[in-house]
Amino acid sequence: EPEVTQTPSHQVTQMGQEVILRCVPISNHLYFYWYRQILGQKVEFLVSFYNNEISEKSEIFDDQFSVERPDGSNFTLKIRSTKLEDSAMYFCASTGAQEKLFFGSGTQLSVL
Amino acid sequence: SQQGEEDPQALSIQEGENATMNCSYKTSINNLQWYRQNSGRGLVHLILIRSNEREKHSGRLRVTLDTSKKSSSLLITASRAADTASYFCATDEAGTALIFGKGTTLSVSS
Repeated sequence: EPEVTQTPSHQVTQMGQEVILRCVPISNHLYFYWYRQILGQKVEFLVSFYNNEISEKSEIFDDQFSVERPDGSNFTLKIRSTKLEDSAMYFCASTGAQEKLFFGSGTQLSVL
Repeated sequence: SQQGEEDPQALSIQEGENATMNCSYKTSINNLQWYRQNSGRGLVHLILIRSNEREKHSGRLRVTLDTSKKSSSLLITASRAADTASYFCATDEAGTALIFGKGTTLSVSS
């Protein structure tokens, strides 16, 4: 069964450093998403992406965040200058029809 | 606005018992979905119910939707230890991304 893959599974970085989280969505999907989950808390929407542009973003997704689909397969989330509060599990998701989402296993980001 | 608030926050039952989780939301929706998350893993879609549907079944899962009360329930019948996970409802305000609630943590002991 096709799946969304995310790399790396764990990322440790120093505060102020840039990080790039990578995702390979399911190949025929058209809508892509990033969510994050701080330990034990709710899953928070960050951004949705369709037709090579952001279609919606939350208040969390400020100027420090950016997304890109550099080629036909990868979908990346960049955090330019990480803060302690950016520590969370980041999930990528994709869908073909804006309904059922398929999630990756996540990247655990730890900012020290 | 915060969509999809689950209740209870935590639920502990014995194998074979039924588990019921509830979800409330604030605005109109096109559909409501339930997802499951095993500890430290990604979310897995369980079931989707559209705003014009009142009840839906999938295996041991039964979902109801009451749009007049803006609420939904997820019933897992004859629970198993493997059902231990967190369960989230997610809603879409018309045309927007899925917004998840805080989840219900279900523990099923054998």
